[in-house]
Amino acid sequence: TQLLEQSPQFLSIQEGENLTVYCNSSSVFSSLQWYRQEPGEGPVLLVTVVTGGEVKKLKRLTFQFGDARKDSSLHITAAQPGDTGLYLCAGKQGAQKLVFGQGTRLTINP
Amino acid sequence: NAGVTQTPKFQVLKTGQSMTLQCAQDMNHNSMYWYRQDPGMGLRLIYYSASEGTTDKGEVPNGYNVSRLNKREFSLRLESAAPSQTSVYFCASSGSSLSYNEQFFGPGTRLTVL
Repeated sequence: TQLLEQSPQFLSIQEGENLTVYCNSSSVFSSLQWYRQEPGEGPVLLVTVVTGGEVKKLKRLTFQFGDARKDSSLHITAAQPGDTGLYLCAGKQGAQKLVFGQGTRLTINP
Repeated sequence: NAGVTQTPKFQVLKTGQSMTLQCAQDMNHNSMYWYRQDPGMGLRLIYYSASEGTTDKGEVPNGYNVSRLNKREFSLRLESAAPSQTSVYFCASSGSSLSYNEQFFGPGTRLTVL
């Protein structure tokens, strides 16, 4: 079974600071996705990364897929209270399934 | 488009009671999934259905059954609820046009078993 480990599990920072969240595995994934989940709601897809070394930007969020396709990172620049939520990485497992990391719970304090 | 809908939103059961969680999607997706989410555990796959008429076990299937009623609907049944099944349950769907199995989630059902 492929496993994804996210770190840190909890992160609380002040508005305006930068942060990085990590998603690591000993297995190679053909693609990796990041989701954000707000309290009381289901996860929502942010981005999919496919190619080793790929970097994708979504406004203040930068996603990177490791060269060996075993790890990924999410960097947020100048965090805002609206970035608060649970961030989940997920790797494609076989043809039909995803395996999820345990999540990073991010709190941005005004 | 409502996307993925789930009913009920909240449910409290006593140990040994049974119930069915309903899920429907209006995106014409082939694949549907049931997950449970527990604190610090991320999302764990219970069952999935790659297409209408097929179902397969995921990581944590014990104590659950599923039915893919048609292309739109995928239900999850707890035959005899146990306190260990207290969790938040999410249904998701994915379409064949989504190459990397990106999934769309419903709002969840919060289940407490006393």
